[in-house]
Amino acid sequence: SQQGEEDPQALSIQEGENATMNCSYKTSINNLQWYRQNSGRGLVHLILIRSNEREKHSGRLRVTLDTSKKSSSLLITASRAADTASYFCATDDRIDMRFGAGTRLTVKP
Amino acid sequence: GAVVSQHPSWVICKSGTSVKIECRSLDFQATTMFWYRQFPKQSLMLMATSNEGSKATYEQGVEKDKFLINHASLTLSTLTVTSAHPEDSSFYICSVKVPGQSHEQYFGPGTRLTVT
Repeated sequence: SQQGEEDPQALSIQEGENATMNCSYKTSINNLQWYRQNSGRGLVHLILIRSNEREKHSGRLRVTLDTSKKSSSLLITASRAADTASYFCATDDRIDMRFGAGTRLTVKP
Repeated sequence: GAVVSQHPSWVICKSGTSVKIECRSLDFQATTMFWYRQFPKQSLMLMATSNEGSKATYEQGVEKDKFLINHASLTLSTLTVTSAHPEDSSFYICSVKVPGQSHEQYFGPGTRLTVT
């Protein structure tokens, strides 16, 4: 079964704008990870944030984690057309990893 | 990161036949591998956890007699879709858990199965 929900389900923005995606989960976690997937392709690992961390940056990516609300957000700044993809959060509870429903991001040039 | 391969990358089979998908860990020995299924425009759903030398653990709603998992060695897990039907058409992805590092998992490139 899936761990939780992501919103929005779909997001369409113009190149240069920022994109924010949210993820909520249900159970206790060890860490939360964000992945990207281009249509019909494999997963690309973007960033991992541990349960004792609140914010993490990697290039144009900024991830936050609020364990009290069981939620996380992924911010992509200065988006590019090449950022068009589906983005998934995945929670790891030390036993297995479960994915959220995903957000389909479209960045228009 | 570790390299995980899957074979084949895509396969088309006729309804009623069986298809075997391989997942190999190329860089290290993996006692635990996971199998996921992804339908078009949907997320990855965990199907089962494959443990080397023991029976796989299946998620609720996944038929163990239909999706046979064999983790016979520390570098290879296989998923066999038996008596495939069109509704089994999906993208199947495996992942490998890094021993001793509970937060590390590496994903294979996926296998696209189409059942006609």
